[in-house]
Amino acid sequence: DTGVSQDPRHKITKRGQNVTFRCDPISEHNRLYWYRQTLGQGPEFLTYFQNEAQLEKSRLLSDRFSAERPKGSFSTLEIQRTEQGDSAMYLCASSLDGTGVNTEAFFGQGTRLTVV
Amino acid sequence: AQSVTQLGSHVSVSEGALVLLRCNYSSSVPPYLFWYVQYPNQGLQLLLKYTTGATLVKGINGFEAEFKKSETSFHLTKPSAHMSDAAEYFCAVSHSSNTGKLIFGQGTTLQVKP
Repeated sequence: DTGVSQDPRHKITKRGQNVTFRCDPISEHNRLYWYRQTLGQGPEFLTYFQNEAQLEKSRLLSDRFSAERPKGSFSTLEIQRTEQGDSAMYLCASSLDGTGVNTEAFFGQGTRLTVV
Repeated sequence: AQSVTQLGSHVSVSEGALVLLRCNYSSSVPPYLFWYVQYPNQGLQLLLKYTTGATLVKGINGFEAEFKKSETSFHLTKPSAHMSDAAEYFCAVSHSSNTGKLIFGQGTTLQVKP
């Protein structure tokens, strides 16, 4: 078990370009979460999946953002027409099933996006 | 609705001194409470969690926290700080139906002076 893996670790892009990030959760985990963390702030929830179904999206997730988890394994987060305000650390987390006392979220190391 | 307030964005202690990081929460349902630590340019690592049962919970690296319902608090403590404890600490709340959907506080940076 190698934990939650995110790729790339760093991404610099020009404003207006599209970017895509990948997250590979812990293999037996059914739930997958995306968070965004700006400098000096705590992470903010964006969206989550139960297997391949996207069950909730935060109002922070504008129309330019889309997330998928096509086979219930890895997930991608795409940002279209990036803006400078999108610069942040994007964190992925996974949990076994997301309910009850014996599950908690395990986080990846994040993808740091810089929009110039 | 749930929310978390961490009192003090920066805390500085001397090596060997007591560490106390404060967290207050608001929740309309029984909360699940967590403390995570983040080192620079890294993800979050779980230190400890409270779900049900014993209100004093022990975590990794000598940290512990006590759930006080009457005070809506979940403060993090460690008897003796080490230099390696210097990091950003986040308190978070969720509930039993979706433990991974976390509401985080703004974080507290812990500085440890030699």
